[in-house]
Amino acid sequence: GDSVTQMEGPVTLSEEAFLTINCTYTATGYPSLFWYVQYPGEGLQLLLKATKADDKGSNKGFEATYRKETTSFHLEKGSVQVSDSAVYFCALTSTSGTYKYIFGTGTRLKVLA
Amino acid sequence: EAGVTQFPSHSVIEKGQTVTLRCDPISGHDNLYWYRRVMGKEIKFLLHFVKESKQDESGMPNNRFLAERTGGTYSTLKVQPAELEDSGVYFCASSQRGISNYGYTFGSGTRLTVV
Repeated sequence: GDSVTQMEGPVTLSEEAFLTINCTYTATGYPSLFWYVQYPGEGLQLLLKATKADDKGSNKGFEATYRKETTSFHLEKGSVQVSDSAVYFCALTSTSGTYKYIFGTGTRLKVLA
Repeated sequence: EAGVTQFPSHSVIEKGQTVTLRCDPISGHDNLYWYRRVMGKEIKFLLHFVKESKQDESGMPNNRFLAERTGGTYSTLKVQPAELEDSGVYFCASSQRGISNYGYTFGSGTRLTVV
């Protein structure tokens, strides 16, 4: 079945460091891919998405490119801030129902000033 | 507009007790979803309502879980009787369209601890 694998956290970085959070997936067909973020005390928020191969999603300085050949959707940011501290979830649209997501386990990011 | 609201934010109950979680979706959103994250693992789909009808409840773990959405507005998720493995964070989400490509609005979750 469909699945998402994320790098385990926590990831601890200094402010202005470069961020990469790895995400790979297994799916039949061509799912859409997403990154959601959960800031402390808040709900999950859609950060960015890509709906087809080679698409690049971007938002708030974060980027991720849909790589079909490597079945990956790694999240990157060139210079993180303390306010980026949160839990990041990679997800895909389930091929068994376009109304539901398959999520990864989440990666906690802590950015130190 | 108000977001998706979940009550309570935290609940601690003893094994064997009953707990009811509530979700108030964004007004006008016909689609409502429940998800659960257990012990830092992946967030898993539980079920999907369209208005008051259950469209897909394939993710419900067992018959101790009962979800309702009377009148197509707010939804409740009852766990009876609760077991230790039910501990986790329960998320609710809503959307106008039942297509995840557009993204859903999630609530901040209810953290359930069964002791």
